[in-house]
Amino acid sequence: GENVEQHPSTLSVQEGDSAVIKCTYSDSASNYFPWYKQELGKRPQLIIDIRSNVGEKKDQRIAVTLNKTAKHFSLHITETQPEDSAVYFCAASEGNTPLVFGKGTRLSVIA
Amino acid sequence: DAGVIQSPRHEVTEMGQEVTLRCKPISGHNSLFWYRQTMMRGLELLIYFNNNVPIDDSGMPEDRFSAKMPNASFSTLKIQPSEPRDSAVYFCASSLSGADTEAFFGQGTRLTVV
Repeated sequence: GENVEQHPSTLSVQEGDSAVIKCTYSDSASNYFPWYKQELGKRPQLIIDIRSNVGEKKDQRIAVTLNKTAKHFSLHITETQPEDSAVYFCAASEGNTPLVFGKGTRLSVIA
Repeated sequence: DAGVIQSPRHEVTEMGQEVTLRCKPISGHNSLFWYRQTMMRGLELLIYFNNNVPIDDSGMPEDRFSAKMPNASFSTLKIQPSEPRDSAVYFCASSLSGADTEAFFGQGTRLTVV
């Protein structure tokens, strides 16, 4: 089955700097790669997703890149703000199987 | 729509007792997932229903866990008997169609087994 590795497990950045979180997956059939943000005590919520037919997707300060050959994808947050502090999860699915999540990255944005 | 609704929000029970967690998915969604979240293991899939039918229950830890989806608007996760190691946050999520569309999570049930 699918295995998703995520790193780093914790990340601290200064406000205004960029943050990058990386994930690798094992199943070459996976074609859907979402990123979820979970604030303390809250539910995970989708912030951006990418499908295997594109290499990059942007939404304001957030971007995701996908390298199918290497089986890795990354989340990029630019101009970080204190409200970006949360745990971020990557996930992968090949469509017929449920999302498999990475272990999460705790991002702290220091003002 | 109110989103995915889970109940109870918090549950404290004694070891050996039966626990039932409830979930109401978003109307019109045909896929439902139960996940368990712990610090050590992260978000683990327990079971996946599609059109009320269990498709993948390989994540159910053992026979003490069971899940049902009697209709499109209701699902339960039951633990009997409960053990302290079952303490975790249990999330229910639903999606419009399959596992490759956005999964909307409920608020979760924080279970503590003492």
